[in-house]
Amino acid sequence: GAVVSQHPSWVICKSGTSVKIECRSLDFQATTMFWYRQFPKQSLMLMATSNEGSKATYEQGVEKDKFLINHASLTLSTLTVTSAHPEDSSFYICSARDLYLGTGISYEQYFGPGTRLTVT
Amino acid sequence: QKEVEQNSGPLSVPEGAIASLNCTYSDRVSQSFFWYRQYSGKSPELIMSIYSNGDKEDGRFTAQLNKASQYVSLLIRDSQPSDSATYLCAAYDYKLSFGAGTTVTVRA
Repeated sequence: GAVVSQHPSWVICKSGTSVKIECRSLDFQATTMFWYRQFPKQSLMLMATSNEGSKATYEQGVEKDKFLINHASLTLSTLTVTSAHPEDSSFYICSARDLYLGTGISYEQYFGPGTRLTVT
Repeated sequence: QKEVEQNSGPLSVPEGAIASLNCTYSDRVSQSFFWYRQYSGKSPELIMSIYSNGDKEDGRFTAQLNKASQYVSLLIRDSQPSDSATYLCAAYDYKLSFGAGTTVTVRA
């Protein structure tokens, strides 16, 4: 259980174009989804948190007009990198949380396999 | 000051030995703690969660939590080469805060 998928697993795009990344929870309803970015040899950096049906909450320093997040259903969130530039090249990872696990509240987060974005 | 700090690596242990990973956190509000394993080029995988003081064992992994000392650790018993990875400690208040990670190499 608790499987999260991401698509695509890797993408190469030209500078100035937009790229959409999908994140799906396959066997549970994700009340909250998170988007992270990870540069080589660095730890995860939280970009934004999204709850189904509401606007995403962005971390300080993350441009919300550049990184568009849509959490349209309890199983799907998308991240669109608009007008991508080479400095946006990174490993983007989504994570999902099922707040209620069994009879208790769980804060366990499960990560998707990640999307490696290269902007040329 | 970082919210979650892990002992600096890399940590190299021989196969069959115990690998010991330590983590301290600064936020007294944190009540939930997690250990993730991340292989090179892959995303993190949840291996342990711990919410109460004391030990929690799962197979070859044991997590220990001491809230008074704001300390959480992970022991890997009978280390295998497949355990070679970066281990991330995370604490939750309203979001997960990750440590920088400790890279473990198990020598065959």
